[in-house]
Amino acid sequence: GAGVSQSPRYKVAKRGQDVALRCDPISGHVSLFWYQQALGQGPEFLTYFQNEAQLDKSGLPSDRFFAERPEGSVSTLKIQRTQQEDSAVYLCASSLYGGREGTQYFGPGTRLTVL
Amino acid sequence: KNEVEQSPQNLTAQEGEFITINCSYSVGISALHWLQQHPGGGIVSLFMLSSGKKKHGRLIATINIQEKHSSLHITASHPRDSAVYICAVYGGSQGNLIFGKGTKLSVKP
Repeated sequence: GAGVSQSPRYKVAKRGQDVALRCDPISGHVSLFWYQQALGQGPEFLTYFQNEAQLDKSGLPSDRFFAERPEGSVSTLKIQRTQQEDSAVYLCASSLYGGREGTQYFGPGTRLTVL
Repeated sequence: KNEVEQSPQNLTAQEGEFITINCSYSVGISALHWLQQHPGGGIVSLFMLSSGKKKHGRLIATINIQEKHSSLHITASHPRDSAVYICAVYGGSQGNLIFGKGTKLSVKP
């Protein structure tokens, strides 16, 4: 497919477990963004990559959240010692060029439920 | 106070009605997005605009930079337009997208 894909689509974790969420951006897209969307809310910015460089991680809510994009394509968002407040949809988006102001193409999201 | 406010939060319309969704923002911006989110989470960008008006099919988006306000209009609404419509602006110290909470639209046949 030509779009942004994310896996898994749904993840249920017990409190305290570690989870890893994967994002496959559109091939060749330079910029990659992660967002967190709580139920009934709009998405909130987590972090931004330009190629393999993480240029902004100001939105990560705690040091339990970690993101990487080691080869400038696939990205993984890792959450350690999950808490109930981490339950949300995690959205990934990619953009063709560097910078934050191009059109972003969103993946379907991963719905994380922490019990 | 949220930096991006949308109204109404929920909107129910009959097929064929003209629909308006409003967005007000408090930060200085360079551009504003209107996005559509269907059940299941997928988000599609409808418009990005920094001035004036854009039209695509039955959708029209306008922005007034001085008043910090944008509207999304849907003409001749159809049940397939049922979705959550989200306004987002580039703002804050880093210029990241700041999203409104969305407007849930339901169009009845």
